[in-house]
Amino acid sequence: QVQLQESGPGLVKPSGTLSLTCAVSGGSISSSNWWSWVRQPPGKGLEWIGEIYHSGSTNYNPSLKSRVTISVDKSKNQFSLKLSSVTAADTAVYYCARDPGILRKDAFDIWGQGTMVTVSS
Amino acid sequence: EIVLTQSPATLSLSPGERATLSCGASQSVSSSYLAWYQQKPGLAPRLLIYDASSRATGIPDRFSGSGSGTDFTLTISRLEPEDFAVYYCQQYGSSPITFGQGTRLEIK
Repeated sequence: QVQLQESGPGLVKPSGTLSLTCAVSGGSISSSNWWSWVRQPPGKGLEWIGEIYHSGSTNYNPSLKSRVTISVDKSKNQFSLKLSSVTAADTAVYYCARDPGILRKDAFDIWGQGTMVTVSS
Repeated sequence: EIVLTQSPATLSLSPGERATLSCGASQSVSSSYLAWYQQKPGLAPRLLIYDASSRATGIPDRFSGSGSGTDFTLTISRLEPEDFAVYYCQQYGSSPITFGQGTRLEIK
């Protein structure tokens, strides 16, 4: 079955760029699914960051759109998140997740385990 | 953006009791694209219900979802000890995808 695994630096300096990768195993990223990033600050709720289709089409949360880039690497079966100009408010657990819907939107049925990113000097 | 408001913020119940969690939307949720997730400390959210009332694979039938438009409910018919966790609703019919702020279900 499909599994997701996030990876990337756990510590990023203020004003820097947060970069994470989500590796997809047990299936192809080129299947007809959307792939999302979601974050959760410590002790708080979930915030959707954005999503990408294997074709490269993206949708972003307007609250983060000016700082976010999500990209896909089909050769490595993974997708990535870049968040620029980070501040302490970007400290969170970052999850990648799959929308399994085909020709329709669907809920996130598969999640990565999450990776904690701290923004601090 | 569709804002989801969950109530109550905290629900204190005993094992064996019935739990009713609510999720209200600021505007109608397209095609009842409303999901419920369970999250335990240190773990990723787990999908329970999608399309407002369909149980996800492997979810016990004590979990049920209902509602349409702007009002949705998650019901746990008889609480088991493992059900005490935080529950989130999510709408995925309109962009941006949004989540409610969560309901903490705690042992009384």
